[in-house]
Amino acid sequence: EPEVTQTPSHQVTQMGQEVILRCVPISNHLYFYWYRQILGQKVEFLVSFYNNEISEKSEIFDDQFSVERPDGSNFTLKIRSTKLEDSAMYFCASRAGRGRETQYFGPGTRLLVL
Amino acid sequence: AQKVTQAQTEISVVEKEDVTLDCVYETRDTTYYLFWYKQPPSGELVFLIRRNSFDEQNEISGRYSWNFQKSTSSFNFTITASQVVDSAVYFCALSGNFNKFYFGSGTKLNVKP
Repeated sequence: EPEVTQTPSHQVTQMGQEVILRCVPISNHLYFYWYRQILGQKVEFLVSFYNNEISEKSEIFDDQFSVERPDGSNFTLKIRSTKLEDSAMYFCASRAGRGRETQYFGPGTRLLVL
Repeated sequence: AQKVTQAQTEISVVEKEDVTLDCVYETRDTTYYLFWYKQPPSGELVFLIRRNSFDEQNEISGRYSWNFQKSTSSFNFTITASQVVDSAVYFCALSGNFNKFYFGSGTKLNVKP
């Protein structure tokens, strides 16, 4: 069964460093998402991506965040200068297309900023 | 505004008991979708069910059942004869016209042997 994959599973970084979180969505899916979950809290929407551009972003997704689909398979989230409050689990999700509303989530990347 | 409320923060039951997880939503969209996801201790989000706003038929899948009532804006989830493996955090989510998900705060279910 196809699934969304994410790498790395865990990342520890120093405050101010750049991190890139990687995702491989389900093949042939057209819509891609990033969410984050601060420990013990709800899952929050960050950004959606379709047709090689951002379709929507939340207030959380400020200038230090960016997303990219550098090739036909990977979908990345970059945090340019990490802050302590960026420590969270980051989930990638993908959706097949219009009328196919279910988002399938990857296993997450747990980011710890020290 | 879109909002999902899961008022039960944590529930503890003994194995074989039935348990219902509540979910109440708010939306102005006429077409919307409701979901339940399970988050086991390992952290991943496992899709359980999707419901369309125009389909109020309840659904049963094994020990799981879902009760969707538009009149009360609720989408409750019942586990019958709970098992220890059901222990997890369960999230209800809503998506509308713009497809991003709004998650509830989750209900942690502890099933004790």
